[in-house]
Amino acid sequence: AQSVTQPDIHITVSEGASLELRCNYSYGATPYLFWYVQSPGQGLQLLLKYFSGDTLVQGIKGFEAEFKRSQSSFNLRKPSVHWSDAAEYFCAVAGGYQKVTFGTGTKLQVIP
Amino acid sequence: GAVVSQHPSWVICKSGTSVKIECRSLDFQATTMFWYRQFPKQSLMLMATSNEGSKATYEQGVEKDKFLINHASLTLSTLTVTSAHPEDSSFYICSARAFQQGAKGEQFFGPGTRLTVL
Repeated sequence: AQSVTQPDIHITVSEGASLELRCNYSYGATPYLFWYVQSPGQGLQLLLKYFSGDTLVQGIKGFEAEFKRSQSSFNLRKPSVHWSDAAEYFCAVAGGYQKVTFGTGTKLQVIP
Repeated sequence: GAVVSQHPSWVICKSGTSVKIECRSLDFQATTMFWYRQFPKQSLMLMATSNEGSKATYEQGVEKDKFLINHASLTLSTLTVTSAHPEDSSFYICSARAFQQGAKGEQFFGPGTRLTVL
């Protein structure tokens, strides 16, 4: 069965600092990987996705993620965080025609 | 971009009543819609997968007689919480996957419905 682990429940960064959110997945073959962002009381917005090809994926709002098969990881990065990036971030995995499985989320707090 | 709406955005009901939540894909056809439940400060838990014109597939532990799902058209799916109880209070989110995209297709999420059962 597929699974996703986001080891950091809560992260605080200063505005302008770099950000990396960790995501590890478990799946027997090459997975489809996603990062979503959720603002309080809102639905989810897709930041980026990886299906195949280039392992460095560019997304919206200046985010990027790198697929590392050897580490079963798909970490999300941003070089300079803005106060508006404060939200909850979910990593998700899907395999073939299986359902999408979400991680438990990482809440990002941005301080001035 | 593709837009998914949910109605209502929030609802308060008395224990024992039924509540219907609508999920609509506004500018695309969705052969598959998904219903999730999210408890405070937790992740999304898939409740069921709904394919247009067929019965929904429920995840293990989800009572299909309590959470009735209907996917009557390519743009509308409904979730009815029957005989709601306080423990059903939660944030319900739907998503829709566009026609012909299969499992690789992006899921577009609705804004969610906050259900409070008194």
